[in-house]
Amino acid sequence: IAGITQAPTSQILAAGRRMTLRCTQDMRHNAMYWYRQDLGLGLRLIHYSNTAGTTGKGEVPDGYSVSRANTDDFPLTLASAVPSQTSVYFCASGEGADTGELFFGEGSRLTVL
Amino acid sequence: AQSVTQPDIHITVSEGASLELRCNYSYGATPYLFWYVQSPGQGLQLLLKYFSGDTLVQGIKGFEAEFKRSQSSFNLRKPSVHWSDAAEYFCAVGRTKAHNFNKFYFGSGTKLNVKP
Repeated sequence: IAGITQAPTSQILAAGRRMTLRCTQDMRHNAMYWYRQDLGLGLRLIHYSNTAGTTGKGEVPDGYSVSRANTDDFPLTLASAVPSQTSVYFCASGEGADTGELFFGEGSRLTVL
Repeated sequence: AQSVTQPDIHITVSEGASLELRCNYSYGATPYLFWYVQSPGQGLQLLLKYFSGDTLVQGIKGFEAEFKRSQSSFNLRKPSVHWSDAAEYFCAVGRTKAHNFNKFYFGSGTKLNVKP
């Protein structure tokens, strides 16, 4: 059972470059999320999607965009990367209203130089 | 505004000793509360959750947590820690179920070290 797959697992990127972090789930969850994890700050929500075709902004959306063309995929794009976007990015999905549990991928470590 | 505070950044306990990790929240309505664990290099895994009812909830791996409304707390406990419990622990509060939990707020985490 794969659960949530994120790619790449690690990437070094020059400032100003465009980057897309991929996220795929095989659990048919309606809700998907992107978080960034920074030391001492815990996890902060970047964008979310309650269902295919809809997206919403989280706590720290600036500089990021997402799309949700289908249930399984939820890519996160950095249009023009900046050093402050150096972080570990986690994709998560949720079963929705009944359980509240989030299922996380293993993370993508991004370094912007 | 909603917030979650984990006042302890690092905690070290001896194997076999008891453990309590603190979590305080600020939320205007009845909260939905969670504890997640993150092992090194891994994503987060749900330990337990509180929605309503009995204020003492049991989770996986022998963990439990108690919701105390009067103290706005949801502390995580384990009576006897194992070396494999060394990890980072995150408390989280979620918005109402009707909003599909798109408003989770995580604490900054507590890193647990276990001494042999």
